[in-house]
Amino acid sequence: KAGVTQTPRYLIKTRGQQVTLSCSPISGHRSVSWYQQTPGQGLQFLFEYFSETQRNKGNFPGRFSGRQFSNSRSEMNVSTLELGDSALYLCASSPGTGPGTEAFFGQGTRLTVV
Amino acid sequence: AQTVTQSQPEMSVQEAETVTLSCTYDTSENNYYLFWYKQPPSRQMILVIRQEAYKQQNATENRFSVNFQKAAKSFSLKISDSQLGDTAMYFCALAYSGAGSYQLTFGKGTKLSVIP
Repeated sequence: KAGVTQTPRYLIKTRGQQVTLSCSPISGHRSVSWYQQTPGQGLQFLFEYFSETQRNKGNFPGRFSGRQFSNSRSEMNVSTLELGDSALYLCASSPGTGPGTEAFFGQGTRLTVV
Repeated sequence: AQTVTQSQPEMSVQEAETVTLSCTYDTSENNYYLFWYKQPPSRQMILVIRQEAYKQQNATENRFSVNFQKAAKSFSLKISDSQLGDTAMYFCALAYSGAGSYQLTFGKGTKLSVIP
C-alpha cells in the first residue's frame, strides 16, 4: 500500500507570493490533516479535512487555507507569504474513525520564504 | 485546551542500554489517547506506541513500553536495548474524541542520540 505522498518536497518562495502544497493520502483514508513544524513552535495543527469538509482549524491566520477533493487528496494554500511561514509542512492521513486511530505522515514539504 | 510537555530537549544513550523519555500532559477530557511518534532524519513521522486513557495496562511494542500514570498525567516512553536506528526526534502527542475531528496535540520533542 502506498504511503502518504507530499509534493513538492522542497520549495523556495519570495515574500508576498503564494504557495500550494499537495498531499495524497493512503488509499481509503478519508481524513487528512496538516501540521506546521518549526524549531521554535514545534508541531502545530493547521486544519483537518474529512470527506471534503473542514472539520477543524488551528490558530492560524486566514492566509492559510486548504481543501480536500472527492478522491481525498488535499491541498493547502498560503497566500502573501511571510518569512515566518518558513517551515516543514506535514500532512497526515487516517481512516478518520476516532482519536485512537493511527495517523500516517508524509515526508513533508520544506518551505523556505526569502 | 490540551497541552503536552516534554521537558528533555535532548538525551543520549549508549547502544544496548535503556533510556526513558518523559512526557506530561493536561486535558480535561475523559476519553483520550496518547501517542509516541518518532521522526528520524528522513523527516517521516512514525507511530511508536499508543495508549488508551481508559486502559490501566501499560502498552508495549517490542523494545518500546510506556509508563502511563493517569492521575499524575504522565506518559513516559522506555526504550530497551537501544539501537542506532532509534536515533531520532521523539514526540509525545494527545488526541481526544471531543475535538470533533482528528487532531493531535504534540509536545516540543526530545532529540535522542544513540551512541555506539
